[in-house]
Amino acid sequence: DTEVTQTPKHLVMGMTNKKSLKCEQHMGHRAMYWYKQKAKKPPELMFVYSYEKLSINESVPSRFSPECPNSSLLNLHLHALQPEDSALYLCASSPIDRVHQPQHFGDGTRLSIL
Amino acid sequence: DAKTTQPNSMESNEEEPVHLPCNHSTISGTDYIHWYRQLPSQGPEYVIHGLTSNVNNRMASLAIAEDRKSSTLILHRATLRDAAVYYCILRDVGANAGGTSYGKLTFGQGTILTVHP
Repeated sequence: DTEVTQTPKHLVMGMTNKKSLKCEQHMGHRAMYWYKQKAKKPPELMFVYSYEKLSINESVPSRFSPECPNSSLLNLHLHALQPEDSALYLCASSPIDRVHQPQHFGDGTRLSIL
Repeated sequence: DAKTTQPNSMESNEEEPVHLPCNHSTISGTDYIHWYRQLPSQGPEYVIHGLTSNVNNRMASLAIAEDRKSSTLILHRATLRDAAVYYCILRDVGANAGGTSYGKLTFGQGTILTVHP
């Protein structure tokens, strides 16, 4: 069991749908991350939040909209996605006050776009 | 970000030691060497990290070359549960200083480890 919980585990949606991915952690970590992982490829960073504020956006298309409503929750809102957006979406968290603390990952949401 | 090079795949037998190499010839003086692994159908999991000295923890050992241009992750007795993709990643010490590299993990292609019973 991981300490970072992601829901749902699987999601199938059409290109015109709006859906959200949810990530929750209760370790007191103030940095949270979204990564995207295509099949047989390494994870790629999408967004970084520090103290509930967006600090890094890796030039992600606007059809992906992150939100950090509080220090324990991270959402990724999805709208008008394309088939190539089908992937595993991973959430991670880490402490913010000490250097080189590991990131803790959830097991991801596997997203399929029809 | 400095680049790492790992073999695409390696194989081992159960209960034997495994040495997973990583080359990082362009490493800078402030880069730490981190290892993560990703088991099938799971998110990545932190394994170990170090700067210059060899490091040990309950999961593995990390041996770092004297010139720091390469490192080796050592699993002392491989089990079937160690079958995973192993990623060697360089992280700058400035990653926590609010700079553009803050918190960023840049994964390379990794090494797929197969463990045979």
